[in-house]
Amino acid sequence: DAGVTQSPTHLIKTRGQQVTLRCSPISGHKSVSWYQQVLGQGPQFIFQYYEKEERGRGNFPDRFSARQFPNYSSELNVNALLLGDSALYLCASSLQGASYEQYFGPGTRLTVT
Amino acid sequence: AQSVTQPDIHITVSEGASLELRCNYSYGATPYLFWYVQSPGQGLQLLLKYFSGDTLVQGIKGFEAEFKRSQSSFNLRKPSVHWSDAAEYFCAVGLPRAGGYNKLIFGAGTRLAVHP
Repeated sequence: DAGVTQSPTHLIKTRGQQVTLRCSPISGHKSVSWYQQVLGQGPQFIFQYYEKEERGRGNFPDRFSARQFPNYSSELNVNALLLGDSALYLCASSLQGASYEQYFGPGTRLTVT
Repeated sequence: AQSVTQPDIHITVSEGASLELRCNYSYGATPYLFWYVQSPGQGLQLLLKYFSGDTLVQGIKGFEAEFKRSQSSFNLRKPSVHWSDAAEYFCAVGLPRAGGYNKLIFGAGTRLAVHP
């Protein structure tokens, strides 16, 4: 079975630009969470979506937004990019909203110059 | 506020030696507890988890962890380390709450190096 997939693998953006990251959960999983991992730190929770509804939001500015589609895939959007947004963005899927059995994708490495 | 502390930023062990990685959490009740491993350029792989019951849990790759409520700790152990265990290890807590919410809070990680 395919695991969590994320695209793109890497991308480079300029300050002020906008970026969209994509995530496909494991087949049958209905919950997707997004995490930001800055170099040298542990992942930090950004959003959780379950059944296409936002179930949780971390301490991130409104420049960060996300959505979940009917097929349970998800997009994370970041507007007005700052240098500090450079990080590995991880997507995790789980079977149910309250399930802590989260499976992580390989991540998208975003570099903002 | 809830937090997870991994006191050791870097640890170096010899291949075949035993390993213990420390993790302490701050939370009013018993959270769900996890250890993940991350190899360079990779996502996170779940090693083991504790929800309730037996405080010594077994995971994949020969790892185990012990939950000690009195010390708010969940230390990861392996009796004999292999060179392939070199990676970064993250302890995480999940905070049970209603509404289908499953946020994880991670520690800063411990980077493990293995000498031949």
